[in-house]
Amino acid sequence: SQLAEENLWALSVHEGESVTVNCSYKTSITALQWYRQKSGEGPAQLILIRSNEREKRNGRLRATLDTSSQSSSLSITATRCEDTAVYFCAPAYQGGRALIFGTGTTVSVSP
Amino acid sequence: EAAVTQSPRNKVTVTGGNVTLSCRQTNSHNYMYWYRQDTGHGLRLIHYSYGAGNLQIGDVPDGYKATRTTQEDFFLLLELASPSQTSLYFCASSDEAGDYAEQFFGPGTRLTVL
Repeated sequence: SQLAEENLWALSVHEGESVTVNCSYKTSITALQWYRQKSGEGPAQLILIRSNEREKRNGRLRATLDTSSQSSSLSITATRCEDTAVYFCAPAYQGGRALIFGTGTTVSVSP
Repeated sequence: EAAVTQSPRNKVTVTGGNVTLSCRQTNSHNYMYWYRQDTGHGLRLIHYSYGAGNLQIGDVPDGYKATRTTQEDFFLLLELASPSQTSLYFCASSDEAGDYAEQFFGPGTRLTVL
């Protein structure tokens, strides 16, 4: 089974609406990063949230972390067409060698 | 901002062929990574390195070799390419090891093995 997994393959919203991508992971982590990958590009980091943090914000982005349920969410408010992308969570496991990327959720924002 | 470049951007080869994918980063990062991206699997780590001459095995290393010749340059080698290695390959770099370090990705190389 995947060590990191976004809960939905795809989400569709209209511009201006909010969207939330959820992620579940296995065992203890030291931190979790969220990345966005636009079509034809490599992933780019959006937010890093440490295991002792419950929430982190970056502009229209808000990430939460619940270590008891081993889950995280990334919310985007006031979405724009340019938010259309694949969103990945990447937990860092205690004693792990590198980040583990989830399979990604495709978010489509239409006008 | 870190700059990671990859070449070639697209490559077609035949089964059994020899392929080298190149990656260069210009921000003096210590760590470099090679991933492959396939539908349904997300990004999977092939090999990584924490400095020139160093190589660490990732999660899906079979059929791949890698070499870090300088701090800037990291190469992925497929000596006997197979159709199962058809994929989108990304190189990334970071200043520190995984947990808190942002990884900066290149634009990717699409490899097709016929």
